[in-house]
Amino acid sequence: QVQLVESGGNVVQPGRSLRLSCAASGFTFRNYGMHWVRQAPGKGLEWVAVIWSDGINKFYTDSVKGRFTMSRDNSKNTLSLQMDSLRVEDTAVYYCVKEKGPYTAFDIWGQGTMVTVSS
Amino acid sequence: QSALTQPPSASGSPGRSVTISCTGTSSDVGGSDYVSWYQQHPGKAPKVIIYEVSKRPSGVPDRFSGSKSGNTASLTVSGLQAEDEADYYCNSYGGNNNWVFGGGTKLTVL
Repeated sequence: QVQLVESGGNVVQPGRSLRLSCAASGFTFRNYGMHWVRQAPGKGLEWVAVIWSDGINKFYTDSVKGRFTMSRDNSKNTLSLQMDSLRVEDTAVYYCVKEKGPYTAFDIWGQGTMVTVSS
Repeated sequence: QSALTQPPSASGSPGRSVTISCTGTSSDVGGSDYVSWYQQHPGKAPKVIIYEVSKRPSGVPDRFSGSKSGNTASLTVSGLQAEDEADYYCNSYGGNNNWVFGGGTKLTVL
């Protein structure tokens, strides 16, 4: 079945780095744009970043620009989010999300992985 | 880009209808055909229930419907059932490869 499985969440100190991964299965990964969406504890959803199907075009929300880098490996059906210079306010559950089509909607979500930034 | 505005809470009795609003600007909701709605139960990942303003994915009951007027999108849940109690989030494509969510609405079935 269509599935996204995130990994890599952890507790990390402010200023340090962390890399999240997402393994996709059950669909033709290379054909779809992929996103990261996060949710701080007890808060709402926040769109973080998108990478187009070609893996070249990437866009980020302002608060993570210059600190987070999204990448994908279409040969291995994997998605990554490299998070540098982490801040306390980056603490959240991070969801790997497949888009239904360009710009349309987020139709498949992973179970999420928790990132805690704390000293 | 600012978050879309949703009421923090909504409620209704079983069998009744409830409508949740989502207000943005002409740069997002008002200017986009790509408005979607997500249902999230506690401890679970969100699930899309409406996309492209009013389309329903297969498997989503027709009790859920979406619409848009100007800068405000709406989600209506008809024939409320206990399992509809959840958090609901709207989302809109805001142009320039940017997406924005609403703050979320907690729906209580009385």
